[in-house]
Amino acid sequence: GQNIDQPTEMTATEGAIVQINCTYQTSGFNGLFWYQQHAGEAPTFLSYNVLDGLEEKGRFSSFLSRSKGYSYLLLKELQMKDSASYLCAHMDSNYQLIWGAGTKLIIKP
Amino acid sequence: IAGITQAPTSQILAAGRRMTLRCTQDMRHNAMYWYRQDLGLGLRLIHYSNTAGTTGKGEVPDGYSVSRANTDDFPLTLASAVPSQTSVYFCASKGGNGDTDTQYFGPGTRLTVL
Repeated sequence: GQNIDQPTEMTATEGAIVQINCTYQTSGFNGLFWYQQHAGEAPTFLSYNVLDGLEEKGRFSSFLSRSKGYSYLLLKELQMKDSASYLCAHMDSNYQLIWGAGTKLIIKP
Repeated sequence: IAGITQAPTSQILAAGRRMTLRCTQDMRHNAMYWYRQDLGLGLRLIHYSNTAGTTGKGEVPDGYSVSRANTDDFPLTLASAVPSQTSVYFCASKGGNGDTDTQYFGPGTRLTVL
């Protein structure tokens, strides 16, 4: 079967660094996506990993280990506007996205 | 129009009524998707269309139907709404022709079935 897990909620301080983990189980894998979703808005694309390793994009980085079924999203120099939900999704063998429930990130001053 | 639009923004509907949620994109994307998002659950795929003229069932298709008469439009119909269909509905389209290209989302429709 297919399963994807991430923490429900995390809290961090403005200016700090936070790592949001995501684990998945799948019979077929075509990549791992991270999306950001502000309350009441649509999800927006952050990153895509298909090979093992770290992809860096400004303040955000995403890591993938296919052998461990594990990914994380790293957010540096946190800003208040980073308060949002972060959705992890893996692409299965049919090229459909299987979504986690999302991690609500709360940033405190 | 720029990107993906959905209508209505929100709707309150009596149980048993028929409702069509509209989705239009102007990016000439081949693939389009309908998801529902419920608190505590991930986005769940209802139906999808890989190209105009074709549709497929996702994870939770029961009670919903779709059509794809052209590239731009992908309406979702609830034939006889039930309270369990209360949710936020997102339409998405996939950029490019690659299978692993990014999905872009519309602003969503918040539907309440009483």
